[in-house]
Amino acid sequence: QKEVEQNSGPLSVPEGAIASLNCTYSDRGSQSFFWYRQYSGKSPELIMSIYSNGDKEDGRFTAQLNKASQYVSLLIRDSQPSDSATYLCAVNAGGTSYGKLTFGQGTILTVHP
Amino acid sequence: GAVVSQHPSWVICKSGTSVKIECRSLDFQATTMFWYRQFPKQSLMLMATSNEGSKATYEQGVEKDKFLINHASLTLSTLTVTSAHPEDSSFYICSASPLFEDRTPWAFFGQGTRLTVV
Repeated sequence: QKEVEQNSGPLSVPEGAIASLNCTYSDRGSQSFFWYRQYSGKSPELIMSIYSNGDKEDGRFTAQLNKASQYVSLLIRDSQPSDSATYLCAVNAGGTSYGKLTFGQGTILTVHP
Repeated sequence: GAVVSQHPSWVICKSGTSVKIECRSLDFQATTMFWYRQFPKQSLMLMATSNEGSKATYEQGVEKDKFLINHASLTLSTLTVTSAHPEDSSFYICSASPLFEDRTPWAFFGQGTRLTVV
């Protein structure tokens, strides 16, 4: 079982729709959870971070965390063609592994006009 | 926000030569930096943890004699790919985490280095 697993893509949504990205993790002791966006040939860019159960909203993005189910998701509302990218879920175990991230395999999102 | 600068952005080298990649935290001190590698259509895989003033910690399967890491100061870590071969061609990315008061472990990434070995 992979440590961090994302829903298989690619995911294609029309402009203006909601894109839903999912991620599960195996280490129950994980403390911090992140969503990164990566454009082709570029470095990952942090979109959202979430540390406690529930929802966290930032503009068009909402992250959801359920530690009991070991599940984290990202919703993108009013999707735009510029949102087309690979989205990476990343998990930090906390403690002595401060700053160390384990990434999922990524989900390719395409928003078509 | 915190800025991490990586240099060079891309490099082409001949098989058998060595290449050095620099990672600098520009506006914060980083006692720990991380080096990742990303092959085409794959995710980032952690290669090693770079610790200022001590030896790097390598992930399983990463050759420490081939990928030399030096963390010379609180703002600079270097990765040297020695005796590079075409299979080392990849996208190498560093990250660093400033120590926020609440210890939220945000990781800021350099812009990455595209290494092509011919």
